[in-house]
Amino acid sequence: DTAVSQTPKYLVTQMGNDKSIKCEQNLGHDTMYWYKQDSKKFLKIMFSYNNKELIINETVPNRFSPKSPDKAHLNLHINSLELGDSAVYFCASSQSRGGYGYTFGSGTRLTVV
Amino acid sequence: KQEVTQIPAALSVPEGENLVLNCSFTDSAIYNLQWFRQDPGKGLTSLLLIQSSQREQTSGRLNASLDKSSGRSTLYIAASQPGDSATYLCAVNPPGNQFYFGTGTSLTVIP
Repeated sequence: DTAVSQTPKYLVTQMGNDKSIKCEQNLGHDTMYWYKQDSKKFLKIMFSYNNKELIINETVPNRFSPKSPDKAHLNLHINSLELGDSAVYFCASSQSRGGYGYTFGSGTRLTVV
Repeated sequence: KQEVTQIPAALSVPEGENLVLNCSFTDSAIYNLQWFRQDPGKGLTSLLLIQSSQREQTSGRLNASLDKSSGRSTLYIAASQPGDSATYLCAVNPPGNQFYFGTGTSLTVIP
């Protein structure tokens, strides 16, 4: 029943490892996003896909690579993890680029040690 | 570049009080503005979305206003309840782009 689901909910890993976070939405939305929320609770866009096409790619290290196999899925792969990557990563989706029906997942708390 | 500021950063009120949360943004060329609620350890829940052509939106005890020309929005919560305790985030949506989020107001309603 979950509208936007992310896995895993928690991820603890060592520096230098590669990890992936998966996101799926069952709302039929066209647009999906990845946001990063830092320790100060500031939420910032990382990527946005519309119908599997990348439309927003903010200044994010190229160690972060999103992949959208279909419009219901947007996964985030992170190479060579660094301490500064520790944050909560939120996936979201909306009906269109205009933000209608904006729905967030519950977040993935990534801790790099 | 759009910057979104929320004041106050934290607010504590006794149950039953009416309260106002403030949001300001630097670029008035927005498509819409949305207020979200975030509970600890949870994702964000959309509360109200105001189109750039609208002045306000209401949902239950919540009323959000928008003054695009002055770059301001307010979220009014009537008769606050302990269950309203959460962080409230304001986000603006430039045309065809993603949301820019404010840093949030952490609200505590004391029983």
